[in-house]
Amino acid sequence: DTEVTQTPKHLVMGMTNKKSLKCEQHMGHRAMYWYKQKAKKPPELMFVYSYEKLSINESVPSRFSPECPNSSLLNLHLHALQPEDSALYLCASSRLKGNNEKLFFGSGTQLSVL
Amino acid sequence: AQSVTQLDSQVPVFEEAPVELRCNYSSSVSVYLFWYVQYPNQGLQLLLKYLSGSTLVKGINGFEAEFNKSQTSFHLRKPSVHISDTAEYFCAVSSGSARQLTFGSGTQLTVLP
Repeated sequence: DTEVTQTPKHLVMGMTNKKSLKCEQHMGHRAMYWYKQKAKKPPELMFVYSYEKLSINESVPSRFSPECPNSSLLNLHLHALQPEDSALYLCASSRLKGNNEKLFFGSGTQLSVL
Repeated sequence: AQSVTQLDSQVPVFEEAPVELRCNYSSSVSVYLFWYVQYPNQGLQLLLKYLSGSTLVKGINGFEAEFNKSQTSFHLRKPSVHISDTAEYFCAVSSGSARQLTFGSGTQLTVLP
């Protein structure tokens, strides 16, 4: 199994809603990532978890709250988002062994905030 | 600090023609270089990577790239493209691990019939 699975594929939410994005991998990877990608732009790193602990937070607003309940799962909890938060949210994973790391990406969740 | 420049935002090319997508980087330390491809409504997929050794790197789908340290470049090439190669291509650089990956702005390759 070499896949990173993200659900849902599409999400529409209002600014007062609370929703969660989910990501799952069964490759034994111990690093998991959240990226945000606006249309026609490269992915921007948001969070990195290493061994289920948050190791990088790229100054992301608190309305985005990540969670790593175990080594296979990564969640992104959303609350009180703004329309400018509309984007493709990508999850990725990688091994944590040396520099020969390769990122495996999920297909993303296309989020629209109304 | 490290950065990546993809000089062409859009590259249209006819089917079966060769293509080169340009990538230049800057870094004060040794780097690892990557090309990722993103098909519509998909995540990113690794095409190829340069870590060390031979400067000519072969990847999936018939793509190859050449690392040129003196020119600080890592251009992506394919001798004959197919319609199915239409996608966004991202060059990326890392000085350490995937946690330190910096992406370029992307090049949209459009293969015309």
